[in-house]
Amino acid sequence: AQSVTQLGSHVSVSEGALVLLRCNYSSSVPPYLFWYVQYPNQGLQLLLKYTTGATLVKGINGFEAEFKKSETSFHLTKPSAHMSDAAEYFCAVSHGSSNTGKLIFGQGTTLQVKP
Amino acid sequence: GAGVSQSPSNKVTEKGKDVELRCDPISGHTALYWYRQSLGQGLEFLIYFQGNSAPDKSGLPSDRFSAERTGGSVSTLTIQRTQQEDSAVYLCASSPGQGLTAVFGQGTRLTVV
Repeated sequence: AQSVTQLGSHVSVSEGALVLLRCNYSSSVPPYLFWYVQYPNQGLQLLLKYTTGATLVKGINGFEAEFKKSETSFHLTKPSAHMSDAAEYFCAVSHGSSNTGKLIFGQGTTLQVKP
Repeated sequence: GAGVSQSPSNKVTEKGKDVELRCDPISGHTALYWYRQSLGQGLEFLIYFQGNSAPDKSGLPSDRFSAERTGGSVSTLTIQRTQQEDSAVYLCASSPGQGLTAVFGQGTRLTVV
């Protein structure tokens, strides 16, 4: 079975500071890993994904994440937070290359950006 | 269409009534998914369609929930005899094929009173 744990349901940073949102996963097969962002009253927007190949993945809006198999982690970072980054962020895992695309989500992390 | 379209965007219904939620996927997307987002349970998978068939229905919470997809396109999620615990945002997503990245709709917010 697969699962995702996001450490910290709420993270608060100052504008311009580093953003670090933590995600650990459990999977018995090589996973595909995703980060999605959700703005209020909106659907989910894909930020970035890891499938195979390079373990450092760059996404939209200056975000990136690194797949670390030994740590079963896929933490999301951004060097400098912007007010517009305030949203809820979800880490998700799917089964890998033979999968249906079904996503297992973490509980989400709300990012607050203070001026 | 340009994106995944869900209707209605908001639905308020009385306990015990049946509701139908509609999803129009991106044209040509063969895979379609329903998820539920609620305060207590987070984001949960409900059902997966490949074409018109549903090889994975494992997330449907009870037999009050059903879904169908016709013409390899539009999907309808039906909840019979709604209960207050069914109140949630129901999200639909579609992808070009099995295992490819899905695009999400805006969701339908269901409130059961």
